[in-house]
Amino acid sequence: NAGVTQTPKFRVLKTGQSMTLLCAQDMNHEYMYWYRQDPGMGLRLIHYSVGEGTTAKGEVPDGYNVSRLKKQNFLLGLESAAPSQTSVYFCASSFRVSYNSPLHFGNGTRLTVT
Amino acid sequence: AQSVTQLGSHVSVSEGALVLLRCNYSSSVPPYLFWYVQYPNQGLQLLLKYTTGATLVKGINGFEAEFKKSETSFHLTKPSAHMSDAAEYFCAVISIYNNNDMRFGAGTRLTVKP
Repeated sequence: NAGVTQTPKFRVLKTGQSMTLLCAQDMNHEYMYWYRQDPGMGLRLIHYSVGEGTTAKGEVPDGYNVSRLKKQNFLLGLESAAPSQTSVYFCASSFRVSYNSPLHFGNGTRLTVT
Repeated sequence: AQSVTQLGSHVSVSEGALVLLRCNYSSSVPPYLFWYVQYPNQGLQLLLKYTTGATLVKGINGFEAEFKKSETSFHLTKPSAHMSDAAEYFCAVISIYNNNDMRFGAGTRLTVKP
């Protein structure tokens, strides 16, 4: 059982380049989330989705876009990367709303923007 | 929105000693509270959660936490530390007004000395 899989694991971008991070889950979860983790700041929610075809903004959505075309996949896009987006990105999913069922996290994508 | 504050970014204990990781939340309404653990190069895993009911919550790996409304605290404890407990621990709160908005603390890195 793979759980939540994130690709790629590492990426280095130059300022202004674009990229897409892919998150895939095989647990048939409705809810999916993208977080970023920065030292001393914990995890902050970027965007989330409560079902296929739906997305919503989290705490720090600026500079990111997301899509949930298939239930099992949640894509995070950076259209024009900036050094401030250097971070570790985590995808998570849950069966129900997160207070009632645990978040299942992927192993993260470490992104460096130079 | 609710938030949590974790006191101490680093805690070091000896193997066999008591583990105490502190978390205070800001809210006038009892929230839903969680502790997650992150081992190196991995995503977060749920340790335990408080939603309603018993204020002393037991989790995995011998950890427990007590919800104290009068102190707005949800401290994590374990009677006897093991080397395998070395990890980063995150307290998190979810708003009952937005079930998809989970806010994490900055994290506490636990070191266990032999």
